Amino acid sequence: DIQMTQSPSSLSASVGDRVTITCQASQDISNYLNWYQQKPGKAPKLLIYDASNLETGVPSRFSGSGSGTDFTFTISSLQPEDIATYYCQQYDNLPLFGGGTKVEIK
Amino acid sequence: EVQLVESGGGLVKPGGSLRLSCAASGFTFSSYSMNWVRQAPGKGLEWVSSISSSSSYIYYADSVKGRFTISRDNAKNSLYLQMNSLRAEDTAVYYCAREIAVAGTRFDYWGQGTLVTVSS
Repeated sequence: DIQMTQSPSSLSASVGDRVTITCQASQDISNYLNWYQQKPGKAPKLLIYDASNLETGVPSRFSGSGSGTDFTFTISSLQPEDIATYYCQQYDNLPLFGGGTKVEIK
Repeated sequence: EVQLVESGGGLVKPGGSLRLSCAASGFTFSSYSMNWVRQAPGKGLEWVSSISSSSSYIYYADSVKGRFTISRDNAKNSLYLQMNSLRAEDTAVYYCAREIAVAGTRFDYWGQGTLVTVSS
């Protein structure tokens, strides 16, 4: 079974900072990797699909990269409204989510 | 506007059953695979089950296989999750999510979730 390791589990950054989250798959999943944002008490929201494609309507400060086993999600300039938990999700086989990264403002 | 509205959650005793529903609107329901994803209190997201547009393909997470049954009624634009032999560890918010498989596969719309609590 594929394992997804997401890190860090939490981070604290200042407004305007560049934030990077990584997700590592236990085997090659090509670019079959999505990123979601979940704000407290809300449903998840799709941000990035196929590792690097920005979902329609999502601000361009969000980006994703990677292929194979190593993936990166970046917020180029952290905004107060970006406070949330972010999840990676692979779909090479059955869907599997990473453990999540809680992003807070310093 | 795409809308997914879950219902049917509540408090149930261990070993009991519950049926969740997800009412879809704003898109051609019969053209999309649908999924259930759950989130235990304070925990991460866990995919539960998926069903293809015509119900030909159905998949389950190992944690619910043999206890949960996913189904859909395309005439009623509705998705269901029959949950039997419920355990405390099934306590979670259950979301239905639309799956889009164009240029990759992802969950592009989610409902607001319905809370299932398994407790004596």
